[in-house]
Amino acid sequence: AQKVTQAQTEISVVEKEDVTLDCVYETRDTTYYLFWYKQPPSGELVFLIRRNSFDEQNEISGRYSWNFQKSTSSFNFTITASQVVDSAVYFCALNGNTDKLIFGTGTRLQVFP
Amino acid sequence: DTEVTQTPKHLVMGMTNKKSLKCEQHMGHRAMYWYKQKAKKPPELMFVYSYEKLSINESVPSRFSPECPNSSLLNLHLHALQPEDSALYLCASSQVRRGAVAEQFFGPGTRLTVL
Repeated sequence: AQKVTQAQTEISVVEKEDVTLDCVYETRDTTYYLFWYKQPPSGELVFLIRRNSFDEQNEISGRYSWNFQKSTSSFNFTITASQVVDSAVYFCALNGNTDKLIFGTGTRLQVFP
Repeated sequence: DTEVTQTPKHLVMGMTNKKSLKCEQHMGHRAMYWYKQKAKKPPELMFVYSYEKLSINESVPSRFSPECPNSSLLNLHLHALQPEDSALYLCASSQVRRGAVAEQFFGPGTRLTVL
């Protein structure tokens, strides 16, 4: 069975704070893919990153960074110097080489000015 | 063009109405998806089309009928819906990669209300 757990339901920070969103996954597949999506209040899911199970390199894209650790089955997402525009629901998702994305329950991030 | 478009943005329908949701992409993607998302929940997969053929139906009630007329278009025909079907309906598309999984790109969704 495949499962994604985002234990943080809601996080509130003040602008310029750093914030980390946790994602823990379960799968028996040896090849799998992990994703992060952002869903702002407008509703559209915005793709942020895709990572396959063989690539454990951390990635940085501007203020965003991702830490993939197979040993702990985690794929955490950090926003540095948060901004109000980062306010959204963030979903972590898993795909075990099928057409099905398994989403976590999401973390609502609120960034206050 | 890296966009998935959906029409209409909002739809209100009665339980006896027949309506359709439309989705279009021009990224050359050959996989297209319908998801249903209730408030404060993650998206739930409904249907997957691969090369214009239905490849996954997640046991969706027959009052939802998908159609993929060509590689750029995806429709969802609605008939005799129930109030509990009110939700945000999201369309997505992705490349089909042999031996790998591509990221899905989502449209803005249709917010459906069934009265």
